[in-house]
Amino acid sequence: NAGVIQTPRHKVTGKGQEATLWCEPISGHSAVFWYRQTIVQGLEFLTYFRNQAPIDDSGMPKERFSAQMPNQSHSTLKIQSTQPQDSAVYLCASSRQAYSGNTLYFGEGSRLIVV
Amino acid sequence: GDSVTQMQGQVTLSEDDFLFINCTYSTTWYPTLFWYVQYPGEGPQLLLKVTTANNKGISRGFEATYDKGTTSFHLQKASVQESDSAVYYCVLLNYNQGKLIFGQGTKLSIKP
Repeated sequence: NAGVIQTPRHKVTGKGQEATLWCEPISGHSAVFWYRQTIVQGLEFLTYFRNQAPIDDSGMPKERFSAQMPNQSHSTLKIQSTQPQDSAVYLCASSRQAYSGNTLYFGEGSRLIVV
Repeated sequence: GDSVTQMQGQVTLSEDDFLFINCTYSTTWYPTLFWYVQYPGEGPQLLLKVTTANNKGISRGFEATYDKGTTSFHLQKASVQESDSAVYYCVLLNYNQGKLIFGQGTKLSIKP
């Protein structure tokens, strides 16, 4: 079975440009999570969806960041007007049930570099 | 709010050494705790899960139990191998919000 698929694996973008990151969760999983990973901050929760509905976006920077899940097979994280401090590995994870006590299966991440 | 603390940022051992990684947690709920491991170039993956105090979680030679009295959740392994080199995360489930809270991670390096 395929795991969580994230694209692109690497993205370099100029300051002020937009970046869109894609995530395909494991088929049949009903919860999708986004985390951001940096050396300084470690793994930070951004947002999650349950059965495609946004449940908690408390970790999302209020400006410039948005996430969507238009169907059960993919979710996107969009960053507008990217800044150097947005440089990080963005990790997507899915779980079988809409309950975080279940195992989270992470993708390999999308490394975003803003120059 | 709920939190997890790993004070050891990096641990360096030799093969066959004993591993002990310390973690403390804070929560107002009954804790469910996990250890996730992240190998280079990969996302984190579940190593083990413990839902009841003093019960032992065991996986791939690793063991963990949590102590409600000291709010500690330690990971240990009797004899580490070079393939255990990775970052280990102590993780707390926040039931109220339905999400996982990750500690800062402990990077384990094994000298061959």
